[in-house]
Amino acid sequence: QITLRESGPTLVKPTQTLTLTCSFSGFSLSTSGVGVGWIRQPPGKAPEWLGVIYWNDDEGYSPSLKSRLTIIKDTSKNQVVLTMTNLDPVDSATYYCAQKRRTFDPWGQGIVVTVSS
Amino acid sequence: QSALTQPRSVSGSPGQSVTISCTGTSNDVGTFNYVSWYQQHPGKVPKLILYDVYKRPSGVPDRFSGSKSGNTASLTISGLQAEDEADYFCCSFAGRYTYVFGTGTGVTVL
Repeated sequence: QITLRESGPTLVKPTQTLTLTCSFSGFSLSTSGVGVGWIRQPPGKAPEWLGVIYWNDDEGYSPSLKSRLTIIKDTSKNQVVLTMTNLDPVDSATYYCAQKRRTFDPWGQGIVVTVSS
Repeated sequence: QSALTQPRSVSGSPGQSVTISCTGTSNDVGTFNYVSWYQQHPGKVPKLILYDVYKRPSGVPDRFSGSKSGNTASLTISGLQAEDEADYFCCSFAGRYTYVFGTGTGVTVL
């Protein structure tokens, strides 16, 4: 059974850096073709794709957020870390990580992040 | 890279069929057959219902079907049921390891 769980702060101040960890089980990021992606969803809005990292360290980022995002993996710990810099209230959302094979599935339960002073 | 365009809402009576469009560009939907669809009930995590345009994951009813023509992908729900009332989002590969989601469509079962 594949499970993913997001963890990190739920309240961040404007201009601060957000660091979220995705801890997963049931698959390995050393397996060819496998990746972990990050998606966020503001309240009442559509999901927004943030980025993905693959077993071979290939990665992709949303063009509009690329300058603020970094995704790294720790294969031995079965973890992927998302870092987003210079947070703004518009970055308030539920942040999800998901396994990437043919597509993003399954997703974790998500973590609600609020950006407020 | 702009969000894929979906109608804000569609509705239908039980047993009817509804179709949701997902319009992108030649940089995403039009070039790649990597379109996925997700169903999201209120307060729940999005659930994958189609991938690679028309493929259904195990356990997804065959009432859900997908197609693509040009820059537009479509999700059709046949034999609409009450439990199909939810939000639906498309997602497409956009090249160079990037993806883009749609604007989302709310389905109402009348």
